[in-house]
This record gives sequence, structure tokens and C-alpha cells, in this order.
Amino acid sequence: TQLLEQSPQFLSIQEGENLTVYCNSSSVFSSLQWYRQEPGEGPVLLVTVVTGGEVKKLKRLTFQFGDARKDSSLHITAAQPGDTGLYLCAGGRSGGSEKLVFGKGTKLTVNP
Amino acid sequence: DTGVSQDPRHKITKRGQNVTFRCDPISEHNRLYWYRQTLGQGPEFLTYFQNEAQLEKSRLLSDRFSAERPKGSFSTLEIQRTEQGDSAMYLCASSLWGLESHRTDTQYFGPGTRLTVL
Repeated sequence: TQLLEQSPQFLSIQEGENLTVYCNSSSVFSSLQWYRQEPGEGPVLLVTVVTGGEVKKLKRLTFQFGDARKDSSLHITAAQPGDTGLYLCAGGRSGGSEKLVFGKGTKLTVNP
Repeated sequence: DTGVSQDPRHKITKRGQNVTFRCDPISEHNRLYWYRQTLGQGPEFLTYFQNEAQLEKSRLLSDRFSAERPKGSFSTLEIQRTEQGDSAMYLCASSLWGLESHRTDTQYFGPGTRLTVL
């Protein structure tokens, strides 16, 4: 059972466009992490959000954690070819099992 | 400050053979995790250690799989009698868990070991 649903699954855009990737769940998470993964490599951490309603910015990337801590979004402004990759969201729960639950990812291609 | 390292990066083996992977976490990280990722999927949890204690194992971890972290530093993951369905990317992650960080437990991943079972 996939507890985290990511959408869209695939996204192909032109350089300079804006985009938003969504990560939704019916479960509450104590934290949510976004990773970017290149083919044949491990996921690289982009951000961790822990507070409902929290917004974090990383250059052209804006991350938001939903008020109820069940969903998150990643917005990229003026996408560049270097943003191409697989974007994964992962939810964590404290006070018990500490494993991360991952979505299937959004494969983003930014064409020059 | 080095990140998580994994060895080997690639492994090709024949069905029925045993394989062992190694993971070296970020120094002083007390938690170490193993995940498996197949094509088109996100990573799936296999097991994790806090120091040398193995605290949780997924149902994905059949009796052919065993993981150890004998001194609370590096870890090994062994797969016995490999099957074609074991072909995947095996990822290791580490984190520094403490009473103050328990809500985040941010995990940092290694580059993975790509296993191909022929």
C-alpha cells in the first residue's frame, strides 16, 4: 500500500516554466522530506519540513507542508535543465517506527 | 565530512549465489537504515539499526536476507540464494537521532548498490 501519492508521475516542461509537484496522504506525518534522485544514484536531501503550514525556500524551490501535516507541495520557479531528475517525497513518524515512507516520485524533465 | 558510502556500487551475480553489501554511515550517526528501490518505485524500507541493535525489520526482509551492524558503525546486508526478484537498488541511509531531533530524524542516503541477478 502506497501511503504517499505523488502527482504528477511524469512532467516534461520547457526551460523557464514554473511547476508544482504534489505529495498527498490520508496519514499524518511528524516530518516530511523531499529528495532529488539522479539515475543510478541515491536520493539527495533537499529539505525537511516538520511544522504544519511551514514554508521553506531553497533558491528557486519552495516547499510547503500542509496545515494538517498530511500533504506537501514543491514549487519550482523558472525551471532549468539542471532541475531534471526524480523528485521523491518521504514521510516520517516519530515515537515508534522511524522508517521513511516514500511516494513513487515525480520524474521531471526540463527541456532547454 | 564524508557522506554515506556503499560498496560495491554495482553487483552482477547468478541466481542462487550469495552476495554481501557494505554501508559506511556518516561518522557519529547512530541510526542506519537499509532500503530497496525497484524501477519506477520509491525506496521501500527493509530494516534499521540504532547503534548495534536492529530495531525493526520489514516483512520484505525474507529469511534469505540478514543485516548486521556489529560495532555500531558500518553495516552489512547479505542476501543468500539470490533470486531474480532480488534485482534492485539497495540503498543505505544514516541519521543522528536524539531526544531533540526525534521529530525530524533526517536521513541521508548513500549512492546505492545496484544488484542484478541473472
